[in-house]
Formats: sequence, structure tokens, C-alpha cells
Amino acid sequence: QVQLVESGGALVKPGGSLRLSCSASGFTFSDYYMTWIRQAPGKGLEWISYISSSGSAIYYADSVKGRFTISRDNAKNSLYLQMNSLRAEDTAMYYCARYHVPAAILGWFDPWGQGTLVTVSS
Amino acid sequence: EIVLTQSPGTLSLSPGERATLSCRASQSVSSSYLAWYQQKPGQAPRLLISGASSRATGIPDRFSGSGSGTDFTLTISRLEPEDFAVYYCQQYGSSPNTFGQGTKLEIK
Repeated sequence: QVQLVESGGALVKPGGSLRLSCSASGFTFSDYYMTWIRQAPGKGLEWISYISSSGSAIYYADSVKGRFTISRDNAKNSLYLQMNSLRAEDTAMYYCARYHVPAAILGWFDPWGQGTLVTVSS
Repeated sequence: EIVLTQSPGTLSLSPGERATLSCRASQSVSSSYLAWYQQKPGQAPRLLISGASSRATGIPDRFSGSGSGTDFTLTISRLEPEDFAVYYCQQYGSSPNTFGQGTKLEIK
């Protein structure tokens, strides 16, 4: 079955860096766009980045642009999120999801991984 | 960006009752590009509906979506105990994708 497993979440100090990983199985990873979505504790959902199947097209939300970098390794069925210059407001559960794109760069998310928690605090 | 407002914030119902959840957009959502997700405590969201009314694979037919333009509805025809959760709508008709703030469906 389709499965996404995130890892790499941790407690990090403001200004620090972290790299999240998402390991995919059960589908042809290289055929799909992938995306990262985050959820601050007790809050709603925020779409923060996507990457096309080949890696040639990338999007970032304004809230993370210039600080986060999304990438993928299709040979390893893996998605990554490099997070630099972390701030307290980046504290959240980070989910990777398969991204279904019927309209240009926009679409829906299915399935989601279980998430990995990033806490930014001194 | 399109702002999605979900109502009510909390809905208290009993198993067996019908639930009607609303999602209103600040501007028209093109092509009815609207999805619904269910999130249970400690779990990731799960896709229920895409394209405003198409159920995702494995979703029971008691879940149905409707609407167009700026007004969308998720209906659960007869609540089961496992349906009590938080529900989010998401639009993908206009960049960026945005989510509503969620409706918590709780047991009365």
C-alpha cells in the first residue's frame, strides 16, 4: 500500500537548521509531485512547498521562501526539506504528502505521512 | 489568496444523526476545485473528497460533498462513532492552495 514516512524532526534553537526526510513506498515515486504541509500545535494547516515529479518545478510559501529548500531523490524514493534560519513560528508538525495536480501547480493531498515534529525554542 | 471560512467551529451531534459542515470562500473557487479532509487526534489528515463531490478511494458513501462557486458543504448522512473528528476544506482553484480553519465534530 502507499506509505509515506517522515523523519528528522527535532528540538532546535532559533537560527538553527534541520533536514526533514520523507520515504515513499507502494507507488512509483518518480511519477508524482510531492509536497510539504505543516500544522502548528493546536492550529490549522499550511501548505508550504511542492516539487514536481522531475524536480524541475518548485514552489514555496512566502512564510518559508529563502529559508527552506525542497528536493527529491527519485532513485531513493525520498523527499527532503532543508530548513535554515529557523524561527519559533516554524514550530509545527511537518507532513509530506503525495500531491495530485489537476490544474497547473495546484491540487489536493493524498495520502499524508504521519508527520514529524519540529520544535524551535531556546 | 482565497480565504476559506468553515462553520460552525464546533458541531455537537449524536451517532446516527446527520452532519452538515459548511465551507465558504472569499471568492469563487474555479472549477469546483475544493477538497475535504478528516483529521483525528494524533493522526494526519485523510482525504475524503476532491473536486467538491468526488469521494476518495475507500471513503464510505455516507460522506458526500456538494457546492460550487463560494459555498461548499460536506454532509455525513448518518454519523458513526469513528466520524467524530476535525474536518478541513481546502481550495486548489487559485494560488496558493489554502485551507479552512476546521470544524470540530464532537459527540453530544
